[in-house]
Amino acid sequence: KAGVTQTPRYLIKTRGQQVTLSCSPISGHRSVSWYQQTPGQGLQFLFEYFSETQRNKGNFPGRFSGRQFSNSRSEMNVSTLELGDSALYLCASSFTSGGYPRTQYFGPGTRLLVL
Amino acid sequence: ILNVEQSPQSLHVQEGDSTNFTCSFPSSNFYALHWYRWETAKSPEALFVMTLNGDEKKKGRISATLNTKEGYSYLYIKGSQPEDSATYLCASYPSNTGKLIFGQGTTLQVKP
Repeated sequence: KAGVTQTPRYLIKTRGQQVTLSCSPISGHRSVSWYQQTPGQGLQFLFEYFSETQRNKGNFPGRFSGRQFSNSRSEMNVSTLELGDSALYLCASSFTSGGYPRTQYFGPGTRLLVL
Repeated sequence: ILNVEQSPQSLHVQEGDSTNFTCSFPSSNFYALHWYRWETAKSPEALFVMTLNGDEKKKGRISATLNTKEGYSYLYIKGSQPEDSATYLCASYPSNTGKLIFGQGTTLQVKP
């Protein structure tokens, strides 16, 4: 099976702009989670989508939003970019049934630089 | 403990040394504990998902134990090899949050 793919891999934006990142999960996986990784912070949970519904949300401002399509592909949007949004954004998919997150399969990430 | 904490933050060992790391997590509302290995320029890769107190998992030279009552897990690497060099992440899944909470990771460097 093909792994989790993320596009684009690298992105440079300026403050105030908005950005959309895309994630295609492993075929058959219906859960997609998004994480932000910044130096010294570790992986911070952004949100999780399952069957097109947001199931959980982390402690991020409303500028961070996401959605999931019927084919389980997911997009994450960040509006009004700030310098502190510069980070590696990882998505992970899993075949989740019930409320238990099984093994997360991570994509390669999108590295966002905000100037 | 409110967060997931890992120690040490980094570790340098010689090839052939055995090593272990610690992951501490909130013991209340425990549901599952994940371990991942993250090599430079690659994606994090799952090692173990553990749910039961006393659980022991093994994958080659790597093994892990779980104590849910006191809220800790140990990851052991026997006879470290240079290819074991990576950051090892643990993540707790409390039943009352629905979120995986990651620790900051332990970065292992194995010198040949």
